[in-house]
Amino acid sequence: AQSVTQPDIHITVSEGASLELRCNYSYGATPYLFWYVQSPGQGLQLLLKYFSGDTLVQGIKGFEAEFKRSQSSFNLRKPSVHWSDAAEYFCAVGAQSGATNKLIFGTGTLLAVQP
Amino acid sequence: KAGVTQTPRYLIKTRGQQVTLSCSPISGHRSVSWYQQTPGQGLQFLFEYFSETQRNKGNFPGRFSGRQFSNSRSEMNVSTLELGDSALYLCASSLLAGDEQFFGPGTRLTVL
Repeated sequence: AQSVTQPDIHITVSEGASLELRCNYSYGATPYLFWYVQSPGQGLQLLLKYFSGDTLVQGIKGFEAEFKRSQSSFNLRKPSVHWSDAAEYFCAVGAQSGATNKLIFGTGTLLAVQP
Repeated sequence: KAGVTQTPRYLIKTRGQQVTLSCSPISGHRSVSWYQQTPGQGLQFLFEYFSETQRNKGNFPGRFSGRQFSNSRSEMNVSTLELGDSALYLCASSLLAGDEQFFGPGTRLTVL
């Protein structure tokens, strides 16, 4: 079955500290992988995506993610967190077939940033 | 370029009523998808449309339906509302299926 697991429900980091949010997926075919961020009361904003090619992808706001096929992981990283990064982060997987836009989301990781 | 717009942003209904939510995709985008977000179930795929055709449907009861118009605008309808339908309903658009999707701000539906 297709699924996305984000093992950390809630993470607190200090401002300026590094961040890594974990994401593991189960998908029958080669997937498209995404990280979205959601601020309270808002929709989802795409941080970055992996379609193919270089397994280290750069996104907006200084985020990056690394696709590791052998570990079925797509972890999100940021070297130095800012207070404005406090939000909920969702990992998602989609089909590469192009036949559908259906995304399967993880349960999200709520990030709190301490001053 | 304007983003995805959803109307209304907030809605309060009572059990048994029906509701229609609207989504206007980014200009030129032909694919529209809908998602339901609740604290208990998270983000769940409802359905997607491409060029007025439903391409895929999630595991929701028949009370949930949708359509897409020739200008790519989409509506979703929920009939006989239940308390559990209270959620944030998100719409996303993309140029083509399989492309990057852009999400709207959502419609917050509260069922009393």
